[in-house]
Amino acid sequence: AQKITQTQPGMFVQEKEAVTLDCTYDTSDQSYGLFWYKQPSSGEMIFLIYQGSYDEQNATEGRYSLNFQKARKSANLVISASQLGDSAMYFCAMSFNFGNEKLTFGTGTRLTIIP
Amino acid sequence: DAGVIQSPRHEVTEMGQEVTLRCKPISGHDYLFWYRQTMMRGLELLIYFNNNVPIDDSGMPEDRFSAKMPNASFSTLKIQPSEPRDSAVYFCASSPFHIGAHENIQYFGAGTRLSVL
Repeated sequence: AQKITQTQPGMFVQEKEAVTLDCTYDTSDQSYGLFWYKQPSSGEMIFLIYQGSYDEQNATEGRYSLNFQKARKSANLVISASQLGDSAMYFCAMSFNFGNEKLTFGTGTRLTIIP
Repeated sequence: DAGVIQSPRHEVTEMGQEVTLRCKPISGHDYLFWYRQTMMRGLELLIYFNNNVPIDDSGMPEDRFSAKMPNASFSTLKIQPSEPRDSAVYFCASSPFHIGAHENIQYFGAGTRLSVL
């Protein structure tokens, strides 16, 4: 069965430092998608970044990048130059099977940026 | 676009009452999803629709839960009768259709925080 694992329940990082949030997955599928979402204390779920399993380059969106290592089945989120507003829960998610619209979410990592 | 709109934002009700949660997806999106988020179980997919048709309702916890999508711009999730264990945040999300790709990015509404007393 497919599974998403986020092993860091919480992280504390100094403002302006880079942050890496871990995400590993388990699937036998060759085609899948990887997503990261941010959930601030206000509660909404905000899409951050997407990576396809066949994409050769790591995805980037502003200060966010996805460190995709297919052989290791990891899809870590990197936030450069962290800001106080980055304090939130972060969820890794996957779509499994070609054309499958469903997402499976990890348990999340709570990131706290320290001034 | 205004994004996915959910109402109400907060709902407090008593056990046994009927609860109806509402969702307006982003215009032009083909897929609509209902999720439930709790501390114990995380984010769970309850049901999703494609072009107003329910595709997978395997996540609906029991017969007390029902969802409808009468048209492309409106969906409801109903709980009847409600129980305290239904207390959670309920999210609606929508996504566009991409042929042959996994890039079906889901855009979430702000959620409805339900408390059943």
